[in-house]
Amino acid sequence: DVVMTQSPLSLPVTLGQPASISCRSSQSLVNSDGNTYLSWFQQRPGQSPRRLIYKVSNRDSGVPDRFSGSGSGTDFTLKISRVEAEDVGVYYCMQGSHWPPITFGQGTRLEIK
Amino acid sequence: QVQLVESGGDLVKPGGSLRLSCAASGFTFSDYYMSWIRQAPGKGLEWVSYITGSGGNVYYADSVKGRFTVSRDNAKNSLYLQMNSLRAEDTAVYYCARVRNGPDYWGQGTLVTVSS
Repeated sequence: DVVMTQSPLSLPVTLGQPASISCRSSQSLVNSDGNTYLSWFQQRPGQSPRRLIYKVSNRDSGVPDRFSGSGSGTDFTLKISRVEAEDVGVYYCMQGSHWPPITFGQGTRLEIK
Repeated sequence: QVQLVESGGDLVKPGGSLRLSCAASGFTFSDYYMSWIRQAPGKGLEWVSYITGSGGNVYYADSVKGRFTVSRDNAKNSLYLQMNSLRAEDTAVYYCARVRNGPDYWGQGTLVTVSS
């Protein structure tokens, strides 16, 4: 199984400042079809997860452009250019390149300083 | 708009059974893989199962293989999860999700509690 490791696990950020979350996989996430199926999800307190990014860097519909995804191979990053109060929650990376099983990172809790 | 509404969660004793349902609307249900994903209280996300659009192929996490069965009724736009031989560690909120390049839309979840 592909192990997904996120860091940091806790991320205190000042409003208006940037934030960055790292996600590393135990093997390359390049699929046999040439795509890299790495997604990012946001889970606000008391809510269901919401996908923000798919295939490394593609924003889902309605996702603010302050969220961006990057990376390749085994190293991936979610960046928030300017953190807003509504960004508080837990962020998960997920790989869908080598399944079953689909695997998630442990989650990174973003809080406002 | 895409809507997924889970139901069927309950308190059940260890060794018991439960059937979850997910009603889908706002998209052509049979065109999509569907997934069950769960989240134990205060914990992270754990993938449980995928089913292809036709229902002809199913996939499970090792933790539920042989105990859980995923199915779908495309005429009713519904996804199901039959859970047998339930254990305390199956206690979680169960989400159904549509799959397009991974789970894209998620339901609000239904809570399954396994306890004596």
